[in-house]
Amino acid sequence: EIVLTQSPDFQSVTPKEKVTITCRASQSIGSSLHWYQQKPDQSPKLLIKYASQSISGVPSRFSGSGSGTDFTLTINSLEAEDAAAYYCHQSSSLPLTFGGGTKVEIK
Amino acid sequence: QLQLQESGPGLVKPSETLSLTCTVSGGSISSSSYYWGWIRQPPGKGLEWIGSIYYSGSTYYNPSLKSRVTISVDTSKNQFSLKLSSVTAADTAVYYCARGAVAAHIDYWGQGTLVTVSS
Repeated sequence: EIVLTQSPDFQSVTPKEKVTITCRASQSIGSSLHWYQQKPDQSPKLLIKYASQSISGVPSRFSGSGSGTDFTLTINSLEAEDAAAYYCHQSSSLPLTFGGGTKVEIK
Repeated sequence: QLQLQESGPGLVKPSETLSLTCTVSGGSISSSSYYWGWIRQPPGKGLEWIGSIYYSGSTYYNPSLKSRVTISVDTSKNQFSLKLSSVTAADTAVYYCARGAVAAHIDYWGQGTLVTVSS
């Protein structure tokens, strides 16, 4: 099973600040890494697919990078509506797995 | 626009079987490009993949739950279902049904349904 380790677990950030969340895979997964945003009492929403590919309708301040075992989700110029939990997810091999999540709070 | 909706009991007794159904609307469940899966999230915790079923009928389960899980599909009703047997309090969670592209991302999620295991 591929273990995804996210860091940090929690981040408190002021609006307009830049946020960086990392996801490390226990073995190489190429670019089969996807990012989701989950707001309270909502289902997850796809933000980035295949490590760096943008999703229609997702604000351009969200971007992803990385390959192999190390990946990053960046939120440029954080907005109040970005308060949420963020999860990485690998589809390289079964069982499908998720990172433990990063909760982003707005100061 | 594809929509997924979970349905089933919100309360299940310990040792009994949890049964949920996901109804898909706005698209066919028979598409060969996708799988249909279940994911759960205990209160205040992260996401756990339970298993998936493909258009061919092939199923894949999380090894940690494999002995207790059955996922099936009813193409005539455009639905797929989850059965989880011998439940305990540790199975209390929000259960999501979802569609994923094969070997790729999950692009559609249901709204989720909370299932509580309690006597």
